[in-house]
Amino acid sequence: KQEVTQIPAALSVPEGENLVLNCSFTDSAIYNLQWFRQDPGKGLTSLLLIQSSQREQTSGRLNASLDKSSGRSTLYIAASQPGDSATYLCAVKGTASKLTFGTGTRLQVTL
Amino acid sequence: EAQVTQNPRYLITVTGKKLTVTCSQNMNHEYMSWYRQDPGLGLRQIYYSMNVEVTDKGDVPEGYKVSRKEKRNFPLILESPSPNQTSLYFCASIDPGRSNTEAFFGQGTRLTVV
Repeated sequence: KQEVTQIPAALSVPEGENLVLNCSFTDSAIYNLQWFRQDPGKGLTSLLLIQSSQREQTSGRLNASLDKSSGRSTLYIAASQPGDSATYLCAVKGTASKLTFGTGTRLQVTL
Repeated sequence: EAQVTQNPRYLITVTGKKLTVTCSQNMNHEYMSWYRQDPGLGLRQIYYSMNVEVTDKGDVPEGYKVSRKEKRNFPLILESPSPNQTSLYFCASIDPGRSNTEAFFGQGTRLTVV
């Protein structure tokens, strides 16, 4: 059974810092990995999708990497802003299209 | 615009009163799924459907039913809701045959059972 872990569970950084969020998964037989952002009590906003054959994807200040063989992904956020404060979730798509989610990293960017 | 639409967004109901949460997608995806999200537990899959008339249990199916009579709709049915089903629910739609397409989610339904 696929298990997805996100570390740290919570993170507080001052504005302007670069930061890295981690996601690890136990079964490397995945089709892709997707990073989401979730504001409190709100829906999921897709940030980046990395196919299993890819190493990284970039969108603006966000860069996600994937090392499928070691079961790891990182989300790098450059020059963090208070508006980046949210919970970040990673999800892997495995067999039968099932998405397995991590429990998220709650990010607080302070002024 | 690619979209997954859930209704209602918020619902407060009483124990035992049957309810249905609707989900509709406009992308002609074969695969749809329901998740619930609880603090500390993350998102857990309730039921999924690989195609019309094909549904199967996810990780936490107890107390829920689903149906897939047409490709675009995948309603979640709670026949006799209980307080432990108070949660935030999400419907997802996925193109199963491709690794380069993202999963799409509805805006969520916050359900409170009193």
